[in-house]
Amino acid sequence: DAKTTQPNSMESNEEEPVHLPCNHSTISGTDYIHWYRQLPSQGPEYVIHGLTSNVNNRMASLAIAEDRKSSTLILHRATLRDAAVYYCILRGLISNFGNEKLTFGTGTRLTIIP
Amino acid sequence: EAGVAQSPRYKIIEKRQSVAFWCNPISGHATLYWYQQILGQGPKLLIQFQNNGVVDDSQLPKDRFSAERLKGVDSTLKIQPAKLEDSAVYLCASRGTRAGNYGYTFGSGTRLTVV
Repeated sequence: DAKTTQPNSMESNEEEPVHLPCNHSTISGTDYIHWYRQLPSQGPEYVIHGLTSNVNNRMASLAIAEDRKSSTLILHRATLRDAAVYYCILRGLISNFGNEKLTFGTGTRLTIIP
Repeated sequence: EAGVAQSPRYKIIEKRQSVAFWCNPISGHATLYWYQQILGQGPKLLIQFQNNGVVDDSQLPKDRFSAERLKGVDSTLKIQPAKLEDSAVYLCASRGTRAGNYGYTFGSGTRLTVV
């Protein structure tokens, strides 16, 4: 599986934007970039995903480099509830069968300062 | 839709005892996963089911861990006998298999402490 690299931890002030980087230099042409986050005492939850173009949803934005070797998850206005561990994960072509699975790294622990 | 249900939420046992965890996935999700998450680490896959068949159990310590998914719905994960290093959160996840619904949904996990 292609590997991702993220900083172990980051801090941000409340109500400011947060940019969480992820490097994935060995990404293949068919790998999707997924982001999950894990709030304290909960299981991981889906945040956003993309292939080539930048993506926006109600939770966050995903900026993907032109060469796809890196991406950035953007939280436009961080709140205390955004404090979590954020995982950047590569997923191959999504299919409805087969042994596809999520492989987690150690992620980035985001601390929000009030 | 209802989420992935797991029980118990917490469990404390002594080493060499047995323990079982239960998971009820989202209705209609054919694929079910058990992950182990040790403190400070990302979740690690233990076993993956497709309906009631095992797809991948390469990371499951089979000398002490077992899992089943009878009738392709609920699943149980058992540890017998437990060791101190089994202290972790055990997460269950399910995945949809219909077009437009291939996302993963995780339960809140069972926190196991082995003393």
